[in-house]
Amino acid sequence: DTAVSQTPKYLVTQMGNDKSIKCEQNLGHDTMYWYKQDSKKFLKIMFSYNNKELIINETVPNRFSPKSPDKAHLNLHINSLELGDSAVYFCASSQTRGRLVGTGELFFGEGSRLTVL
Amino acid sequence: GESVGLHLPTLSVQEGDNSIINCAYSNSASDYFIWYKQESGKGPQFIIDIRSNMDKRQGQRVTVLLNKTVKHLSLQIAATQPGDSAVYFCAEMEALWYGQNFVFGPGTRLSVLP
Repeated sequence: DTAVSQTPKYLVTQMGNDKSIKCEQNLGHDTMYWYKQDSKKFLKIMFSYNNKELIINETVPNRFSPKSPDKAHLNLHINSLELGDSAVYFCASSQTRGRLVGTGELFFGEGSRLTVL
Repeated sequence: GESVGLHLPTLSVQEGDNSIINCAYSNSASDYFIWYKQESGKGPQFIIDIRSNMDKRQGQRVTVLLNKTVKHLSLQIAATQPGDSAVYFCAEMEALWYGQNFVFGPGTRLSVLP
């Protein structure tokens, strides 16, 4: 069973289109994330949700809208796609723990490679 | 913000040699650090972690060293094998009142030469 699964794995689309990437985790974690990895492999946080609530929202264009219908799912919708949106998008999850009881590592999906033409 | 620079450093080592991958972090409030391995076409995978109250932690063939004074983290891989070829990332975690935030370094590409 895949712990964090995201679809589609590959997405090729024209500039100006709208697209969505879906993510599901079956680990029972309470926190989910979207990361963007550019061509230089740099991983940058975009959003984080804890129990369906948005807790981290980095400087990301409004064209990107995350949605978390429940704590096991975090989808990413992108409007009016631009060339610069081409990247690999990674979903991840973790279980938030307090400082005294330890911390939770991130579990990543396999990534969704978005190519905007 | 980001902890380090903008390029992907590369480290080439001979099979069987030891590898040392370094990482600098900037946030003194970070209290948990993780090393991840990313193979081509895959998502990053956990290798080893260390909390800020430790300065060394060992796993199978891997050791992480933490120097809080200079905000430096290193990953040592013993007897490097071809399967170790990948991009390695350090990540620092800051525990926030509303959750946790992981910030990744730029990554280092490890190439294992036969």
